[in-house]
Amino acid sequence: ETGVTQTPRHLVMGMTNKKSLKCEQHLGHNAMYWYKQSAKKPLELMFVYSLEERVENNSVPSRFSPECPNSSHLFLHLHTLQPEDSALYLCASSRSATPEQGSGANVLTFGAGSRLTVL
Amino acid sequence: EDQVTQSPEALRLQEGESSSLNCSYTVSGLRGLFWYRQDPGKGPEFLFTLYSAGEEKEKERLKATLTKKESFLHITAPKPEDSATYLCAVRGDYKLSFGAGTTVTVRA
Repeated sequence: ETGVTQTPRHLVMGMTNKKSLKCEQHLGHNAMYWYKQSAKKPLELMFVYSLEERVENNSVPSRFSPECPNSSHLFLHLHTLQPEDSALYLCASSRSATPEQGSGANVLTFGAGSRLTVL
Repeated sequence: EDQVTQSPEALRLQEGESSSLNCSYTVSGLRGLFWYRQDPGKGPEFLFTLYSAGEEKEKERLKATLTKKESFLHITAPKPEDSATYLCAVRGDYKLSFGAGTTVTVRA
């Protein structure tokens, strides 16, 4: 497989369930990201990992718990979610998380997303 | 605070009818302006990066331009397959900020 792969593509869960989203990148990138996409809103950055170390956490509620066991895999563990958490969750990767002008290192490659519905 | 505003929110075009999308931004230290295309049910796909005012990039029917305050994505003689949501993002000194996107529909 190539690029960034996300599973599952669709997930329906109750507010008391525990589930996980998985992301895998085959690009040799050093940085991985979780974004939340809601209708008619800009993409919201949730977490950034650089070389398996979390470098950014954008005030995300603790019911979302990321895990990055290695530079190719990223998980988002979900528990006790609310209906307003229903959205498309996008995983992305880039060569570098550090701002680098002109090199293309910050170009994001996205997965197809996991559509989450919380009942 | 970095801000990115895209207009219009939606654009309906007839096949062959050229038009432009706008991305206005304020950022501390521009490190790059990115355009992405997103098809329904898919993640955004990278189109262009622009780094300095006056820079232009082209790909098929798309041309992106950059000034110190805004970027335009020009669609020349669009085809139905150009229908998508186009996202603009700006990389500043501290973070990458996205706009809400412009959804383009091209009718045959």
